[in-house]
Amino acid sequence: ETGVTQTPRHLVMGMTNKKSLKCEQHLGHNAMYWYKQSAKKPLELMFVYNFKEQTENNSVPSRFSPECPNSSHLFLHLHTLQPEDSALYLCASSQGAVGGGAEETQYFGPGTRLLVL
Amino acid sequence: AQKITQTQPGMFVQEKEAVTLDCTYDTSDPSYGLFWYKQPSSGEMIFLIYQGSYDQQNATEGRYSLNFQKARKSANLVISASQLGDSAMYFCAMRELNGGSQGNLIFGKGTKLSVKP
Repeated sequence: ETGVTQTPRHLVMGMTNKKSLKCEQHLGHNAMYWYKQSAKKPLELMFVYNFKEQTENNSVPSRFSPECPNSSHLFLHLHTLQPEDSALYLCASSQGAVGGGAEETQYFGPGTRLLVL
Repeated sequence: AQKITQTQPGMFVQEKEAVTLDCTYDTSDPSYGLFWYKQPSSGEMIFLIYQGSYDQQNATEGRYSLNFQKARKSANLVISASQLGDSAMYFCAMRELNGGSQGNLIFGKGTKLSVKP
């Protein structure tokens, strides 16, 4: 496997379900990110992890719970979601998490398309 | 205020011709990076090209080049010799070195490019 992988690619869940999204990066990066992409809206940053430490929580509701056990893996645990949470969830990684240099280029996974019924 | 503005919701281009996708940005940080991503219908965000604020020359990467006009705060993407596979959403993004939120990547709303055979 190369690059950034995400599983599952598609997920349908009810509002009372608990599910988890998984992201794995094979690039040796130190920073990982979760983004939400809703229809006709710009990408919204949700969480940032730098060297396994959460450095950013962009006012995300507590029904979304991230976990970063190591620099290669990132999870997003989902619990009692709402229909408006239906979106494409993208994971990304970069060498560093601070700055605007080329080494901070973020590489994305294919995303998980989530539908909440 | 919007930090990244992409004024073209949709663009059409004939196969083998060149096309320019517009992007303007707003920042008071002298150090920043500009990125372009391509998102096909499959959902994955593919990194195309990077331009640093202190770079003297316009970035080029194969058929992609960035027309960087710093004084006008403009970073237009030029795709030469368009191919059918170039049909996708294109996003301009910026990351500030001294950004308040760990220099997070800020995306525009995107431009949908359609290449006609």
